[in-house]
Amino acid sequence: ETGVTQSPTHLIKTRGQQVTLRCSSQSGHNTVSWYQQALGQGPQFIFQYYREEENGRGNFPPRFSGLQFPNYSSELNVNALELDDSALYLCASSQGTLAPYEQYFGPGTRLTVT
Amino acid sequence: GESVGLHLPTLSVQEGDNSIINCAYSNSASDYFIWYKQESGKGPQFIIDIRSNMDKRQGQRVTVLLNKTVKHLSLQIAATQPGDSAVYFCAENSDQFYFGTGTSLTVIP
Repeated sequence: ETGVTQSPTHLIKTRGQQVTLRCSSQSGHNTVSWYQQALGQGPQFIFQYYREEENGRGNFPPRFSGLQFPNYSSELNVNALELDDSALYLCASSQGTLAPYEQYFGPGTRLTVT
Repeated sequence: GESVGLHLPTLSVQEGDNSIINCAYSNSASDYFIWYKQESGKGPQFIIDIRSNMDKRQGQRVTVLLNKTVKHLSLQIAATQPGDSAVYFCAENSDQFYFGTGTSLTVIP
């Protein structure tokens, strides 16, 4: 186990709804990255938060947003859910943002949009 | 955009044999590469990494080879065990981490 926790484990939402996913980073880590992993695919980078500020963003629309809190835990918010948002959402924590750095992944939240 | 691809989507090996998983990347500016293992129902787990100023790095039963000339990365697993059965991803880091599609490794007892 990595020490990174995510909640909830599973979630079912209806198209058009909003969802908030949560991540607690490993102790001592100040950086959280979020990824979307569609079935049978590799994780795709959504964005990264470093010391409560967004520090890089992948090719995702603005309806994907996030927050990082003073204790370095993080939230991923998705508005106006679409069917294609169904995926495993992974967060990864690390210490710093400069390579080489090891990311520790949580078990993910499985989101199903119907 | 980035292109990180794997040559084979599935690989089956006999227990005790060596496994080789390959990966191609497209961004010559990438300077850091990682191999991850993902078991069913879990997040990716770090296996081994390599910087672009190296061409080989060894860990416990695993070796990563980097060929920058042809932009190719490989993961070698020695004496493959049933517990090695999982999906393996390579990832490259430039402005962000880009993951490949993954190779599913099945170890036959």
